[in-house]
Amino acid sequence: KAGVTQTPRYLIKTRGQQVTLSCSPISGHRSVSWYQQTPGQGLQFLFEYFSETQRNKGNFPGRFSGRQFSNSRSEMNVSTLELGDSALYLCASNSVGGNQETQYFGPGTRLLVL
Amino acid sequence: DAKTTQPNSMESNEEEPVHLPCNHSTISGTDYIHWYRQLPSQGPEYVIHGLTSNVNNRMASLAIAEDRKSSTLILHRATLRDAAVYYCILRDVTQGGSEKLVFGKGTKLTVNP
Repeated sequence: KAGVTQTPRYLIKTRGQQVTLSCSPISGHRSVSWYQQTPGQGLQFLFEYFSETQRNKGNFPGRFSGRQFSNSRSEMNVSTLELGDSALYLCASNSVGGNQETQYFGPGTRLLVL
Repeated sequence: DAKTTQPNSMESNEEEPVHLPCNHSTISGTDYIHWYRQLPSQGPEYVIHGLTSNVNNRMASLAIAEDRKSSTLILHRATLRDAAVYYCILRDVTQGGSEKLVFGKGTKLTVNP
């Protein structure tokens, strides 16, 4: 099975712009979670989607949003980018969630905001 | 969210066992203890998890204290490829069946040749 894929792998944006990141989960997985990793705050949970519905959300401002499509692929969007949004954005998938299942992480998208 | 405490860093020599400790004094009765690791320039990967009993798999062993307030991840023979940040996580099953991983700072393991 192919692993979790994330595109693009690297991205440079400027303050005020918006960005969309994409995540393709492992085939058959219906749950997709997003995390932000920064040197200062570490890995922080953004949100989780299951069957196209957001099931859980972390403590991030409304500028961070996401969605999931019927094929389980997910996108996250950050609007009005700030310098502090520079981070590694990680996507993780598992088959159904809620059952202590293993989360499988992608390699991440590294976003730099100038 | 239940919290875990881990040493910031540990060092080991190749081919020697490594014991990575984790304290979780506020663990609840239904919290599972999970370990993930993150190799340089990669996303985290699952290592092992358990509830009450000690667990073994091909990567590592997990020893859980009888009162469940602490646990230890054991790498039986460290290799250079085991150099990573190791995270001890209590799985938080929120209402609706959703789960999220709450990562702490983790332990950075250095393996010396």
